[in-house]
Amino acid sequence: QVQLQESGPGLVKPSQTLSLTCTVSGGSISSGSYYWSWIRQPAGKGLEWIGHIYISGSTNYNPSLKSRVTISGDTSKNQFSLKLSSVTAADTAVYYCARETRDGYNFWFDPWGQGTLVTVSS
Amino acid sequence: DIQMTQSPSSLSSSVGDRVTITCRASQSISTYLNWYQQKPGKAPKLLIYAASSLQSGVPSRFSGSGSGTDFTLTISSLQPEDFATYYCQQSYSTPWTFGQGTKVEI
Repeated sequence: QVQLQESGPGLVKPSQTLSLTCTVSGGSISSGSYYWSWIRQPAGKGLEWIGHIYISGSTNYNPSLKSRVTISGDTSKNQFSLKLSSVTAADTAVYYCARETRDGYNFWFDPWGQGTLVTVSS
Repeated sequence: DIQMTQSPSSLSSSVGDRVTITCRASQSISTYLNWYQQKPGKAPKLLIYAASSLQSGVPSRFSGSGSGTDFTLTISSLQPEDFATYYCQQSYSTPWTFGQGTKVEI
């Protein structure tokens, strides 16, 4: 059974870069059937898709964050990572990684990591 | 971006009740619609994909329907463990977007 686990600093200073890693166990990120996504959720608010990466290395980002986001993968470690630059308090949120399944033209997120809270504060 | 609007934003219900949550897309999304359940402090869990397909392991009291712009999630007989927040998500075009959530309370 595939499991995902986020890791990284829980506190980031304004204007700095947020860096998180998602470690995948029980399955390979090299599998061609899946994309690997990052999603965030500010406290008490809804879910926002940040972007995803495919094993080929191709990425797709939410235009609202595109100028600040980089998602990369490391097949040797079975991990994928998120970097979000120039953070502000508005980037404070729980960050989730998730496997994204594609079936035809439909995509869905399952499973998800447990999430990690990142607070942007000086 | 495709906007997803859920209604109601919250509802109060009792164990055994039939509950229906609606999700409306700002444009037609065929059946590229998924539903998730989220409990406090936990990650969302996939319930329904492709509008009406039940994810493996999800109780059959959950069902989904709809196509185009209007979709529903139905819980046929609400159980104590179903009190949670429910989100719809479209995958017709990126950026994937979610509804604002519907909180089901006792």
